[in-house]
Amino acid sequence: NAGVTQTPKFQVLKTGQSMTLQCAQDMNHEYMSWYRQDPGMGLRLIHYSVGAGITDQGEVPNGYNVSRSTTEDFPLRLLSAAPSQTSVYFCASSYLPFGNTIYFGEGSWLTVV
Amino acid sequence: SQQGEEDPQALSIQEGENATMNCSYKTSINNLQWYRQNSGRGLVHLILIRSNEREKHSGRLRVTLDTSKKSSSLLITASRAADTASYFCATFYSGGSNYKLTFGKGTLLTVNP
Repeated sequence: NAGVTQTPKFQVLKTGQSMTLQCAQDMNHEYMSWYRQDPGMGLRLIHYSVGAGITDQGEVPNGYNVSRSTTEDFPLRLLSAAPSQTSVYFCASSYLPFGNTIYFGEGSWLTVV
Repeated sequence: SQQGEEDPQALSIQEGENATMNCSYKTSINNLQWYRQNSGRGLVHLILIRSNEREKHSGRLRVTLDTSKKSSSLLITASRAADTASYFCATFYSGGSNYKLTFGKGTLLTVNP
C-alpha cells in the first residue's frame, strides 16, 4: 500500500495562476481532508469529505475548491493563487468513525510569488 | 479558530529525561489525538484517547485526559534524541454530518544528546 500520496511535492506559482494539488489514498478510507500549515499556526482545516460526492468546508476554505468523485481521490484546487496561500499543504485520510488512525501525506510546499 | 492549544510552545531537555506537553481545548470532543511531526515531514499518529477515558499508555507514551478541565497531557518517558520533533494535539468532534479534526499549534521538543 502506498498510503496517502500527494503531488506535487514542491510548486511555485505566480499570483493569479490556478493549480490543483492531488491527493490519493489506497486504503478505501471514507474520510479525506486538506490542511494547511503555516509557521506558528499549526494545521488548519481547509475542506474535508466523508465520502464520494460529499464535501464540506473547514476553518479556512476561502480561495480553495474541492471535489470527491471517487473514494480514492480528493484534489484541492486553487482558483486564483494569492501570496497568502503560500504554505505547506497536507492531505489526510481515515476510516470513519474517528476511532481510527489518521494517515497524512508527506506534504506539498507551495510558494505563490 | 483552532480548538487545541499546546503548552509549552517549545521544550528542551536532556536525553533520558521525561517530557510533558499539555493541551487545552474549548468545546466538547469525541476524542483527542496526539501527533508527531519531524521537520519537513507529514504528521504521524501517536495515540488516541476517547472522551470517556482518563489515561492511556503506548510504549514510552502516557496520555491523560481531563474533560472537566478540557485538558490533556502527553508524557514521553526516558526521552531519546530521536524524539526531537513537533508534537500536536488534535480534537475530534462529530455532530450530525459534521466531522472535524482540529489541531493546536504544537510543541517543539528538542532532546539533547
